[in-house]
This record gives sequence, structure tokens and C-alpha cells, in this order.
Amino acid sequence: AQKVTQAQTEISVVEKEDVTLDCVYETRDTTYYLFWYKQPPSGELVFLIRRNSFDEQNEISGRYSWNFQKSTSSFNFTITASQVVDSAVYFCALSEANTGFQKLVFGTGTRLLVSP
Amino acid sequence: GAGVSQSPRYKVAKRGQDVALRCDPISGHVSLFWYQQALGQGPEFLTYFQNEAQLDKSGLPSDRFFAERPEGSVSTLKIQRTQQEDSAVYLCASSARTGDQETQYFGPGTRLLVL
Repeated sequence: AQKVTQAQTEISVVEKEDVTLDCVYETRDTTYYLFWYKQPPSGELVFLIRRNSFDEQNEISGRYSWNFQKSTSSFNFTITASQVVDSAVYFCALSEANTGFQKLVFGTGTRLLVSP
Repeated sequence: GAGVSQSPRYKVAKRGQDVALRCDPISGHVSLFWYQQALGQGPEFLTYFQNEAQLDKSGLPSDRFFAERPEGSVSTLKIQRTQQEDSAVYLCASSARTGDQETQYFGPGTRLLVL
């Protein structure tokens, strides 16, 4: 069965610290997509990244970077030099080919608090 | 361009009332999704439309929940005889037909409180 685990419920850091949010997934499908979304206090889920199961290259976008490792079924997200505006709940999610990629399964989220 | 919009943003209902939640997807997006997010949890899938066809409603928690998208654009999620356990944020998302079809873009949600 498909499952996404975000073991870190809440992380608190001080501005400019680096922080890594963990995501572990389970799937029997060989073709799938992994996602990260940010949910600020306003409530809207903001898309950050999509990665397909055949592309294990790490990705960097500004202060954000993602480490996808199929061997450990993990898709971790690192924020470098965190800022107060990064404070939000971050969700990792999975969609599989056997559902036509039409159903996202989310983890329970990690709340990141960045203090000045 | 405009993103996904939802209305109302907040809804308070007395137990037993019917409610209707509206979603306007991104223009041109073929697929539309509804999710339910309980407090402190991740969103959970409710149902999915491709154009006007409801292709998957496996996540609807009971027959009190009903969704429609009659013209393949705007969608309405209706909850009949609301119960306190229906209190949650209801999120709508849409995705394109091609290219970026695997990525769902979300609206701001409707926060429903059932008293």
C-alpha cells in the first residue's frame, strides 16, 4: 500500500540555520511521482517540486534542495540559510501510475518554525 | 493568471444542516480534485473529475458527501446533514491535461466548522 511518512512533527531553528525535512515513502509501483508542498498560515498548499521515480538527480533551486534516494525510499528536503518566511507546514506527497497519478497521498506534514 | 479559487473561505454550520462548497479551477485545467484536511493532518483524497466525469469517488467518507462538475469547469462539494466530524478544511486542486498533468495546484481551501 502507498504511504508517506514524515517523522518530524515540528522543527524549530534560528534564522540562517540549515534544516532538513525528512520524507520516507512506500509504494509497490515502479513508476511514481514525489512532491513537496508548502502550507503557510494562510492555508493554501504551494507546489514546490515534482520528481519522477526514474530521475534520482538531486535538485537545487535557490536555497532549496532535494535529495531523492530510491535505495532508502526517501525524498528529503533541505533549506539552506533558513528565513522567517520559511515558517510553514511542509508536506511530502506521492502519486502512483496505478491510479493514473490522479490521487495524491500526503504525509502528516512537518511544521517548521524559523525564529529571528 | 488566476489560480484555483474556493468559496466560501469559512463556513459555520449547525449540525444537520446541508452545505455547498464551490471550487473554480485554473482555466483550461481538465482535472479537478477534492481533499479533506483535518486539523494537524495531511490532506486526504475525496474525489476526482476529468472534465464533467467523476472518475474516482473512493475517498468520500459517506453517502452524505456528494460532488458534481456538470459543465466540466466549476465544481461543488455538497455535504448533507453535517456532523461534527465533518469539521475540516476542504481543499480543491486542479491539473492540466498534458505536460504538467501530474502536478496538482491547490486553492486556499474552505474551513468548515460544524457546531
